[in-house]
Amino acid sequence: AQSVTQLGSHVSVSEGALVLLRCNYSSSVPPYLFWYVQYPNQGLQLLLKYTSAATLVKGINGFEAEFKKSETSFHLTKPSAHMSDAAEYFCGASSGSARQLTFGSGTQLTVLP
Amino acid sequence: DAEITQSPRHKITETGRQVTLACHQTWNHNNMFWYRQDLGHGLRLIHYSYGVQDTNKGEVSDGYSVSRSNTEDLPLTLESAASSQTSVYFCASSSPGADTQYFGPGTRLTVL
Repeated sequence: AQSVTQLGSHVSVSEGALVLLRCNYSSSVPPYLFWYVQYPNQGLQLLLKYTSAATLVKGINGFEAEFKKSETSFHLTKPSAHMSDAAEYFCGASSGSARQLTFGSGTQLTVLP
Repeated sequence: DAEITQSPRHKITETGRQVTLACHQTWNHNNMFWYRQDLGHGLRLIHYSYGVQDTNKGEVSDGYSVSRSNTEDLPLTLESAASSQTSVYFCASSSPGADTQYFGPGTRLTVL
């Protein structure tokens, strides 16, 4: 079974600073990996996904993530944080196309002025 | 535009009552999922369906049921609501062979 661990339930960064949100997965087979963002009182929106193609994945709003098999990681980064990036971010994994997702517990990102 | 909707958006009920949460999608997606979101747990899968008449249990299915009579809808029923089922519920859908799930806006359920 998949498991996903997000290190840090709360992360604070200053506006303009690097954003780094950590995600590690546990699987004997490299899964499909996703990052979703949730703004207050809204559903989840897909930021980016890894499906065994390029290991560096670019998503919306300037976010990107790198799949590192040796570290079983899929960390999310953005070079320069904006106030509008404040939200909760969820890392998810599935065993294949169209399969159910296993999510991490989420990371709340706060952007300080 | 195609979309996925959930109703009601907010619901307060009493312990022991039966509650049904609706999920409707207009993408004609075969795959539909129900998750619950709780602080510290992220989203956990309750039930899922890969097509009409197909339903499967997820990680936290006890106390919940679903039925799939058409492609567009996957209602979630709490047979006898318990306070532990107070949560935010999200429905999602995806097309066959696709890896991206699209989420509804959520239903906030409070069981008193």
